[in-house]
Amino acid sequence: EIVMTQSPATLSVSPGERVTLSCRASQIVSSDLAWYQQKPGQAPRLLLYGASTRATGIPARFSGSGSGTEFTLTISSLQSEDFAVYYCQQFSAWPFTFGPGTKVDVK
Amino acid sequence: EVQLVESGGGLEHPGGSLRLSCAASGFTFRRHAMTWVRQAPGKGLEWVSAISDNGVYTYYADSVKGRFTISRDSFRNTLYLQMNSLRAEDTAVYYCARDGNYIDRAILPDYWGQGTLVTVSS
Repeated sequence: EIVMTQSPATLSVSPGERVTLSCRASQIVSSDLAWYQQKPGQAPRLLLYGASTRATGIPARFSGSGSGTEFTLTISSLQSEDFAVYYCQQFSAWPFTFGPGTKVDVK
Repeated sequence: EVQLVESGGGLEHPGGSLRLSCAASGFTFRRHAMTWVRQAPGKGLEWVSAISDNGVYTYYADSVKGRFTISRDSFRNTLYLQMNSLRAEDTAVYYCARDGNYIDRAILPDYWGQGTLVTVSS
């Protein structure tokens, strides 16, 4: 099973700041990496797949990069609605696995 | 409007069984792979199981393999998860989700249900 790790566990930021989240896979997953956003009491929402392709309806302030084992999610200018937990997930091999998440909260 | 409505959750004793259902509407059910993802209280996400659009291929997390069975009924537009030999660690909110057909070989959910809580406790 491919193990996903994320850092940091929590990130405290102010609206308008640039945010960078990291994700690492225990094995090479090529670009088979997705990012999800989850707000309290809600189901997750797919943000990016293929490491860098935005899902339908996702704002351009969300971008992704990386391949192999190291990946990054960047939010160019954090909006109030972006405070949430962000998960990365590999879909290179079943079982698909999620990272533990990074919580982005208010500084 | 795409809707996914889960049901069947509740309290069950260790060793017991539950069957979750997910009623789908607002889209052509047989054209989408489907999946179950769970989240233990206060914890992260865990992929549980997935099924191809035609129902031929099924996938399971190691933690549930041999105990859970995923299936679908394209006449009733319903996804199921039969859960046997339940354990305390199966306690979670179980989400049903639809694959968005972004990539053929992957399941990338674009619509999710509201979740149903399964509690396994004596």
